[in-house]
Amino acid sequence: SYELTQPPSVSVSPGQTARITCSGDALPKQYAYWYQQKPGQAPVLVIYKDSERPSGIPERFSGSSSGTTVTLTISGVQAEDEADYYCQSADSSGHVVFGGGTKLTVL
Amino acid sequence: QVQLVQSGAEVKKPGASVKVSCKASGYTFTSYYMHWVRQAPGQGLEWMGIINPSGGSTSYAQKFQGRVTMTRDTSTSTVYMELSSLRSEDTAVYYCARGDYGDYFSLGYWGQGTLVTVSS
Repeated sequence: SYELTQPPSVSVSPGQTARITCSGDALPKQYAYWYQQKPGQAPVLVIYKDSERPSGIPERFSGSSSGTTVTLTISGVQAEDEADYYCQSADSSGHVVFGGGTKLTVL
Repeated sequence: QVQLVQSGAEVKKPGASVKVSCKASGYTFTSYYMHWVRQAPGQGLEWMGIINPSGGSTSYAQKFQGRVTMTRDTSTSTVYMELSSLRSEDTAVYYCARGDYGDYFSLGYWGQGTLVTVSS
């Protein structure tokens, strides 16, 4: 079955830039999406279609794509950005696939 | 405003079935597909399947084929997810989620989640 691979954890200091990657063979052909999830809350969409930012999401969140890897970049990380982040895409059947998630720690 | 309101927590015994509801409001119910996603305690997100509220067609993740049934009631703008033959590994928070931004993969709206606990 199709898999999306994320690093389990990323740590950054406040004000620095965090980059979270997601790798998958079909990513050159399928869009990627990113979700932020804080403890006890439902996920929140922060990036759609590789690099589009939903309304209400701070400009410090951005997405990019290169080959089989997509990247979520958080510039000027703030303490409130500490959360789990999940990438999402689709397999060849059009079924949704999630990455395993990355825990972002703000030191 | 778009709202997805799910039914309350459930406790079930192994082998039983559970049916979780998701009532939609604030938009035209039949215009947007609805997904179901679950999350076991301390684990990641897992996609279960999708239903088209307009015609009722469904597509399920292979893992849940034969055990999950998604239905809808257009008169009440509610979608349902029923999971049968429950086992302890099915203990999780179950979410409904709707597409957004003209793309049904962009899960821009989520229900509050329903905790299903499977325990003898």
